[in-house]
Amino acid sequence: AQSVTQLDSQVPVFEEAPVELRCNYSSSVSVYLFWYVQYPNQGLQLLLKYLSGSTLVESINGFEAEFNKSQTSFHLRKPSVHISDTAEYFCAVTPVGGGADGLTFGKGTHLIIQP
Amino acid sequence: DAGVTQSPTHLIKTRGQQVTLRCSPISGHKSVSWYQQVLGQGPQFIFQYYEKEERGRGNFPDRFSARQFPNYSSELNVNALLLGDSALYLCASSWDSDSPLHFGNGTRLTVT
Repeated sequence: AQSVTQLDSQVPVFEEAPVELRCNYSSSVSVYLFWYVQYPNQGLQLLLKYLSGSTLVESINGFEAEFNKSQTSFHLRKPSVHISDTAEYFCAVTPVGGGADGLTFGKGTHLIIQP
Repeated sequence: DAGVTQSPTHLIKTRGQQVTLRCSPISGHKSVSWYQQVLGQGPQFIFQYYEKEERGRGNFPDRFSARQFPNYSSELNVNALLLGDSALYLCASSWDSDSPLHFGNGTRLTVT
């Protein structure tokens, strides 16, 4: 079984400041890792994913995440946030080749951008 | 192209009743998954269907059931509703059982 811990339930940050949302996971097998974003009253949108290869993955809107196998972490970062980044962010894992097991999500981190 | 569509968007039911939620996947996607998101929590996996067969099941009671139709749309049924079943129910589709998921906006179920 897998588990995901998002260490911060809320992260307030000023506009144009950098931000890091932390995610740690536990698994006895290799996993794929994901970050999803959820805007109010909407479903989840895939932000970025790590399947294999380079441990640093980037999204089209400036977010990046780095897979650290020794630390079992997949922290999400952005060098400069905007008001529009206000949302709930979820880290998730699934076993490699075990898509039928579904995604295991963390409890989410609410990113609050202050003007 | 249309994304994943779910109906209804909101629903209010009474304890003990039964409910059916519907999902249409993105065109070409053959896998549909269902998740329950209780307020303030991350989504929890309920079912995955691929080519009309159940491929995965989460830790939910037998009151929860689902099926997938030949056109790849899906229904989630919950019997004998409890107050604790109040949640946002999310449907997600993917090309196959190992591809990244695309989520719909969900059905908000309130049980009174």
